[in-house]
Amino acid sequence: ETGVTQSPTHLIKTRGQQVTLRCSSQSGHNTVSWYQQALGQGPQFIFQYYREEENGRGNFPPRFSGLQFPNYSSELNVNALELDDSALYLCASRAGTGRNTGELFFGEGSRLTVL
Amino acid sequence: EDQVTQSPEALRLQEGESSSLNCSYTVSGLRGLFWYRQDPGKGPEFLFTLYSAGEEKEKERLKATLTKKESFLHITAPKPEDSATYLCAVQAGANNLFFGTGTRLTVIP
Repeated sequence: ETGVTQSPTHLIKTRGQQVTLRCSSQSGHNTVSWYQQALGQGPQFIFQYYREEENGRGNFPPRFSGLQFPNYSSELNVNALELDDSALYLCASRAGTGRNTGELFFGEGSRLTVL
Repeated sequence: EDQVTQSPEALRLQEGESSSLNCSYTVSGLRGLFWYRQDPGKGPEFLFTLYSAGEEKEKERLKATLTKKESFLHITAPKPEDSATYLCAVQAGANNLFFGTGTRLTVIP
């Protein structure tokens, strides 16, 4: 069974640029969510995708956008990068049927540094 | 407003020295409380789900308990490999988890 994989693992961008982060969900999981984790903080919910539709969003501006593909993999796009966007971006997947047990399977994250 | 507060922020224990981590929460309509473990440079790893006051879950040296206002993660006779950051989260809304800032546990041999 393949776990959640994310790419790239590290990247450096400058303020104002755009970035795309990618995530392959665990086999059999059709629900993907993205979290932002600043240094020393807990993860913060960005949004969730279920069967290619966004079905939940946290308190993040529209320049944070996403996609989910038919194979349930996902992308997180961030436009007009700001210094405060520097963080670990975590992708998590789960099966979308039945009760939400909160058991998310996280990838190892993409570490974004904005200079 | 949903809130999760974890204490202490950091905890150093000698190997074998048992202790507890605290997670106090304020949420409108608790749908579940969750504990995760996070190693440096890694994503969080799921440990437990608790749904109602009085519920307890155990896994190896860890035991999680839940009351109406807080949860405890008890660590019995910890080993150095238990060193990690322990995150508490509540289900806020239908689709997202609201995390605390974590307790960084260090177990010294």
